[in-house]
Amino acid sequence: EDKVVQSPLSLVVHEGDTVTLNCSYEVTNFRSLLWYKQEKKAPTFLFMLTSSGIEKKSGRLSSILDKKELFSILNITATQTGDSAVYLCAGTVIGGSNYKLTFGKGTLLTVNP
Amino acid sequence: GAVVSQHPSRVICKSGTSVKIECRSLDFQATTMFWYRQFPKQSLMLMATSNEGSKATYEQGVEKDKFLINHASLTLSTLTVTSAHPEDSSFYICSARTGQGNWVGELFFGEGSRLTVL
Repeated sequence: EDKVVQSPLSLVVHEGDTVTLNCSYEVTNFRSLLWYKQEKKAPTFLFMLTSSGIEKKSGRLSSILDKKELFSILNITATQTGDSAVYLCAGTVIGGSNYKLTFGKGTLLTVNP
Repeated sequence: GAVVSQHPSRVICKSGTSVKIECRSLDFQATTMFWYRQFPKQSLMLMATSNEGSKATYEQGVEKDKFLINHASLTLSTLTVTSAHPEDSSFYICSARTGQGNWVGELFFGEGSRLTVL
C-alpha cells in the first residue's frame, strides 16, 4: 500500500524563523512528489519534484527530493504570518493510463508575530 | 496557472436528498479528474478517479452507488452524493490533471465544496 508520511504534524514558530518540513514516501511506480499549501480552502500548488538532488526555489520556499532515501524536504526561510497553513506533500504514481496521488497527513505550520 | 472551478462552494441539505457538485477545468482539457474528501484536520482522501468518457474508478471503501461520478466532457466532472446523511458532511475537493498518458503534468485543485447534511 502506498504511504506518505509527513513530519512534524504541527509546528509553531516566530516570524523570521526558518523551518524544514519533512516528507517520506513509499510509493510503488513513483513518478513525482508534489508539495501543496492549504489554507482555508483547496490546496495551492507549490512544487513538483521528479529528479533527485535538484533544488526548486520560489521566493523564500525551496524543496528538494532524495529518491534514494525516498525523502523530500520543504524549507521556508524568514517565515511570515502569511505562511501559516497546512503543507501537504503527495506522491504520484503512473502506471499506463492510471495516475494516482497519495497525500500525507500534512504539517500544520503556525507562524506567530 | 490552470484554473479549476468547483460549484457550489457550500451546500446545506436535508438528510435523504441528493446533492450535485460540479468541477470544471476552465482553460485546459482534463483527461483525468479526481475527487477527494477531507474531514476536519485530516488530509485529503482520494475517493475516485474519473476519466472522460469512461466509468470512474473508486477507491476501496467508497460506495459507488452513493457517490455517483460522471465525466461527460474533457472539462466537466460531477459528483452526486445520493440520499445524503449527516455522516456525509465533509469538504469535497476536485482536481484536474493536465498531463496525459505517462506525462506527469500538474494537478490543480478546485476551491472545494463544503457539504452539510442536516
